Amino acid sequence: NAGVTQTPKFRVLKTGQSMTLLCAQDMNHEYMYWYRQDPGMGLRLIHYSVGEGTTAKGEVPDGYNVSRLKKQNFLLGLESAAPSQTSVYFCASKRRGYIQYFGAGTRLSVL
Amino acid sequence: AQTVTQSQPEMSVQEAETVTLSCTYDTSESNYYLFWYKQPPSRQMILVIRQEAYKQQNATENRFSVNFQKAAKSFSLKISDSQLGDTAMYFCAFMKHQVGQGAQKLVFGQGTRLTINP
Repeated sequence: NAGVTQTPKFRVLKTGQSMTLLCAQDMNHEYMYWYRQDPGMGLRLIHYSVGEGTTAKGEVPDGYNVSRLKKQNFLLGLESAAPSQTSVYFCASKRRGYIQYFGAGTRLSVL
Repeated sequence: AQTVTQSQPEMSVQEAETVTLSCTYDTSESNYYLFWYKQPPSRQMILVIRQEAYKQQNATENRFSVNFQKAAKSFSLKISDSQLGDTAMYFCAFMKHQVGQGAQKLVFGQGTRLTINP
């Protein structure tokens, strides 16, 4: 059972480039989340989804877009990367209980 | 909006000692959940312990226990007989209870970096 898988694990982008982070879960979870982790600030919610085909903004959504076309996948897109988006990105998922399960994270550097 | 505050950016203790990490939160909700997550150098977020606000009894998981003071909005984590493998960043987190298809979002504190020395 793989749980929550994030790809890629590392990525370096130049300012203005675009990319998509993929989160895949094999637990048939309804809810999925994207967080970013910055030093001294804990994890902050970017976007989330309460089911297939639905998405909503979190605390820090600017500069990001998401899609949940399939229940098991939650994609996070950066259309025009900026140095302020250098961070570690975490995906999480859960069923209708209250425990979120996290992926291993993606370290993104924007130069 | 809910906020979570961890006032200890770093802590360091000797192996086998007991250590307590502090967490306070601010909310107007009466029903919610509190969590402690561990993040070792591997970056993986690992759930250590959880507490339902409607339960008066403090949660325990082996060497990990919490002191939940609802009126004071305090949720500290005690690690007994600390081990080298406990070295990690620890995050306190809050989740509001929601009926139905609510977002059930986690709000995290800033984290405490704990080092266990041999």
